[in-house]
Amino acid sequence: GAVVSQHPSWVICKSGTSVKIECRSLDFQATTMFWYRQFPKQSLMLMATSNEGSKATYEQGVEKDKFLINHASLTLSTLTVTSAHPEDSSFYICSARLPGLAREQFFGPGTRLTVL
Amino acid sequence: GEDVEQSLFLSVREGDSSVINCTYTDSSSTYLYWYKQEPGAGLQLLTYIFSNMDMKQDQRLTVLLNKKDKHLSLRIADTQTGDSAIYFCADSRGGSQGNLIFGKGTKLSVKP
Repeated sequence: GAVVSQHPSWVICKSGTSVKIECRSLDFQATTMFWYRQFPKQSLMLMATSNEGSKATYEQGVEKDKFLINHASLTLSTLTVTSAHPEDSSFYICSARLPGLAREQFFGPGTRLTVL
Repeated sequence: GEDVEQSLFLSVREGDSSVINCTYTDSSSTYLYWYKQEPGAGLQLLTYIFSNMDMKQDQRLTVLLNKKDKHLSLRIADTQTGDSAIYFCADSRGGSQGNLIFGKGTKLSVKP
């Protein structure tokens, strides 16, 4: 159980275009999902916390108008990178949190974004 | 602010035990986690420990927590080549959001 999927697993796009990444919890309902960014050989940097039915909470330094997050249902959150530039190239990982005290987070397999 | 520190590399021989260490600064942490990341993949939750415990064992994995020193370790017994990966220690930030603060990860290399 507790499987999280992401789509697409990789995407290459031209500079200036927008890219949407989906994150789904397959076998549980997640009121909270998280979006992380990981640079090569680096740790995960939390970008935003996505709560179902409300606006996302962005971490300091993350542009909310550039990284649009929508959490329309209990099993789906989307991250849209708008007007992507080469510096946005990165590995984007989402996670979904199980309800309960342990607050276990289960991670998707990640999406490799390359902006040309 | 909160910080989680790990050594960056560990190399062991197949069959030996691996011990990956982590220190954290947030004294209000309630849960601490270990995640495994294989190349090009997301993170896999290995285990977690509640802060009022000092040890948790799960098959080949043993987690030790020294809350006084804010030190967490993950021991992998009988390390196999398939255990080669990056291991992240994570601390749950206090508050309702339950965000995770990750260390930089320890790259474990297992030599045959």
